[in-house]
Amino acid sequence: GAGVSQSPSNKVTEKGKDVELRCDPISGHTALYWYRQSLGQGLEFLIYFQGNSAPDKSGLPSDRFSAERTGGSVSTLTIQRTQQEDSAVYLCASSLKGQGTEAFFGQGTRLTVV
Amino acid sequence: AQSVAQPEDQVNVAEGNPLTVKCTYSVSGNPYLFWYVQYPNRGLQFLLKYITGDNLVKGSYGFEAEFNKSQTSFHLKKPSALVSDSALYFCAVRDRNAGNNRKLIWGLGTSLAVNP
Repeated sequence: GAGVSQSPSNKVTEKGKDVELRCDPISGHTALYWYRQSLGQGLEFLIYFQGNSAPDKSGLPSDRFSAERTGGSVSTLTIQRTQQEDSAVYLCASSLKGQGTEAFFGQGTRLTVV
Repeated sequence: AQSVAQPEDQVNVAEGNPLTVKCTYSVSGNPYLFWYVQYPNRGLQFLLKYITGDNLVKGSYGFEAEFNKSQTSFHLKKPSALVSDSALYFCAVRDRNAGNNRKLIWGLGTSLAVNP
């Protein structure tokens, strides 16, 4: 597709369950970002992939969170043993390699932990 | 440490009046600067960016921003606000001297309300 695609758009899960969120970046974009946004709040950086370099995981809030990017394209964010405080919108963005390039965002996955 | 500050949580303007949403930054090197907008229940959309050259940058929907190196600012402006401009605005910066680290540093956002 033309833009960044995220799935599912909405996810309701029970506390303690694992969830997987998927991001399909724009074709050819080597940089991929995951952010978390709580209602009406700013962006909380989670993880950043750039090409074949080791990902920057400095924003992951706990070891329950992990992310992979297979083949330099699709990325999956996994949250294990979900907690209610994990409820938020999870945003994915991608950009070209150049430092001056803007990031393009997906519509996000709204996660609700009940 | 690198940071971006948006000093106003909320800005209120009347329709037709000029608007300014403020952004200041702190990076060790020279910055690339970006503005994004988030309409209610929508994803973030790119508005404009400063890379090099003219300090006044024009972007989407009639917005513009001026890079001021001495004041380390990149305020977003529009000459005449519309009610439809009401949204959450985010400023972001990337240090062009950061080598392979292309991570964006984000401000906390400013909520703009344009009143009819």
